Amino acid sequence: GENVEQHPSTLSVQEGDSAVIKCTYSDSASNYFPWYKQELGKRPQLIIDIRSNVGEKKDQRIAVTLNKTAKHFSLHITETQPEDSAVYFCAAGYSTLTFGKGTMLLVSP
Amino acid sequence: DAGITQSPRHKVTETGTPVTLRCHQTENHRYMYWYRQDPGHGLRLIHYSYGVKDTDKGEVSDGYSVSRSKTEDFLLTLESATSSQTSVYFCAISESRDRVYEQYFGPGTRLTVT
Repeated sequence: GENVEQHPSTLSVQEGDSAVIKCTYSDSASNYFPWYKQELGKRPQLIIDIRSNVGEKKDQRIAVTLNKTAKHFSLHITETQPEDSAVYFCAAGYSTLTFGKGTMLLVSP
Repeated sequence: DAGITQSPRHKVTETGTPVTLRCHQTENHRYMYWYRQDPGHGLRLIHYSYGVKDTDKGEVSDGYSVSRSKTEDFLLTLESATSSQTSVYFCAISESRDRVYEQYFGPGTRLTVT
């Protein structure tokens, strides 16, 4: 089955800095790579995703990149704000998803 | 948020008792999933369904069973709850769009087994 590794497990940045979270996957059949943001006590929320036929996607301050050859994908957040503080999960798969263990992002004012 | 509800939202039960969690959707999506979330483990798939009466096992299915008799409802049953099943349980739904299955989560159920 699919195996997803996510790094780092915690990330602290100053407001305005950039944050990068990286994930690797093992199954070359995976064609869908979403990212979720989860605030304390809330449900995971889909914030951005990328499909296997696309190398990069941007949505305002958030971007994702995918390298299918190396089997890794990354989340980039620019101009971080305190409200970006949350746990972020990457996932890989097709009709089912395998999730990474999460990255706790703390943005300090 | 997508039209997904879970019930109950919180439950405390004793070891050895049966427990059933319910996921209800109003989106008419074909796929439904049950995950558990534990510190240090992220989200792990328990079971999923790809249609009425069509279900399959996920990564951590031991000790759990599921049923789907209607498109809108997906039930997760712990036949005999154990303390290791104390967790937060999330339901998710998805539908195929351009061969991609975007998943949207319900609000979660916090289950404590004493």
